[in-house]
Amino acid sequence: AQTVTQSQPEMSVQEAETVTLSCTYDTSESDYYLFWYKQPPSRQMILVIRQEAYKQQNATENRFSVNFQKAAKSFSLKISDSQLGDAAMYFCAYCGNKLVFGAGTILRVKS
Amino acid sequence: ETGVTQTPRHLVMGMTNKKSLKCEQHLGHNAMYWYKQSAKKPLELMFVYSLEERVENNSVPSRFSPECPNSSHLFLHLHTLQPEDSALYLCASSQVARTAYEQYFGPGTRLTVT
Repeated sequence: AQTVTQSQPEMSVQEAETVTLSCTYDTSESDYYLFWYKQPPSRQMILVIRQEAYKQQNATENRFSVNFQKAAKSFSLKISDSQLGDAAMYFCAYCGNKLVFGAGTILRVKS
Repeated sequence: ETGVTQTPRHLVMGMTNKKSLKCEQHLGHNAMYWYKQSAKKPLELMFVYSLEERVENNSVPSRFSPECPNSSHLFLHLHTLQPEDSALYLCASSQVARTAYEQYFGPGTRLTVT
């Protein structure tokens, strides 16, 4: 069965600094997609970034980028120039035959 | 916000009560989902509906009963719940079920079982 592991329950970053959130997954499938979702406090969960497994190039979306290592089954999220509005719970998700989410990482941004 | 609404936003119920959670999406999507979000646990996918047909049921206890009368509405009927069922229940929708299409989430219903 597919699993998604986020080993960091909480992370902190200084405003304007860079932070990396870790995600590893386990699967025997070769074709799948990976996502990072953001859930701000008391607000709806929204998609941050998406990566297709067949693409070697890492996805980027403005200040958000991923480091996708398919062989290592690793999918980390890098947030550059962190802003106060980035404070949220971040979920890593795997979508193949099954849709599986990680436990989430709480990101705190210090001013 | 994202076109998925959930009511009520907060619900407190006793273990003998019967209540229902409602989800509505205004995005023209064909798939809808129920998730359970508990503290410090992975987001748990409970049910998946595609074109009003249940396509996934992840070993959810029978005290949770989903209903999808049409592609825009999804209900979760609750009865004889346990305190451990207290959690945030999220509804989501997507263009197609279980693919790379982005999921759009509702704000959730915070359920407390006393």
